[in-house]
Amino acid sequence: DAGVTQSPTHLIKTRGQHVTLRCSPISGHKSVSWYQQVLGQGPQFIFQYYEKEERGRGNFPDRFSARQFPNYSSELNVNALLLGDSALYLCASSLAAPASNSPLHFGNGTRLTVT
Amino acid sequence: AQSVTQLGSHVSVSEGALVLLRCNYSSSVPPYLFWYVQYPNQGLQLLLKYTTGATLVKGINGFEAEFKKSETSFHLTKPSAHMSDAAEYFCAVTTRSNDYKLSFGAGTTVTVRA
Repeated sequence: DAGVTQSPTHLIKTRGQHVTLRCSPISGHKSVSWYQQVLGQGPQFIFQYYEKEERGRGNFPDRFSARQFPNYSSELNVNALLLGDSALYLCASSLAAPASNSPLHFGNGTRLTVT
Repeated sequence: AQSVTQLGSHVSVSEGALVLLRCNYSSSVPPYLFWYVQYPNQGLQLLLKYTTGATLVKGINGFEAEFKKSETSFHLTKPSAHMSDAAEYFCAVTTRSNDYKLSFGAGTTVTVRA
């Protein structure tokens, strides 16, 4: 079975531009979460979606937005990019609403570089 | 709010030696604790998790961790390091009251010497 797939794998953008990152969860998984991992740090929670509804939002500015589609895939959008947005963006899926017995399965991430 | 602190950003061990990675958590409600491993240019892979029940948890690749409430710790160990264990390891905590959103530590990079 395919794992969590993210596209693109690498991306270079200029300050002020916007970017869309895409994620396909494991087949059958209905929950998707997004995390930002800045170099040298642990991942930071951005968004969580379950059954196409936002279930949680981390401490990120309104420039960050996301959505989940009927097929449970998801997009993360970032507007007005800043140098500090350069990071590895990780998508994770889980079978049900995030719960202790429904662990997260992570994709390999999208490496975003803002110049 | 919950958080974790990983003691030591870098750990170097000899092949065949004990691997010990330290994690302390802070939570006002019962925590669920996880260890993830990240290989270069890859996402995170779940090594093991503690939710309830047995406090000694066994995971993949020979790793295990023990939940000690009195010490607010969840240290990760492996009796004998292998070259393939070289990676970055993250401890994470979540709680029911936080809708199970994970809070990660800063990570510990493990290098294995031949």
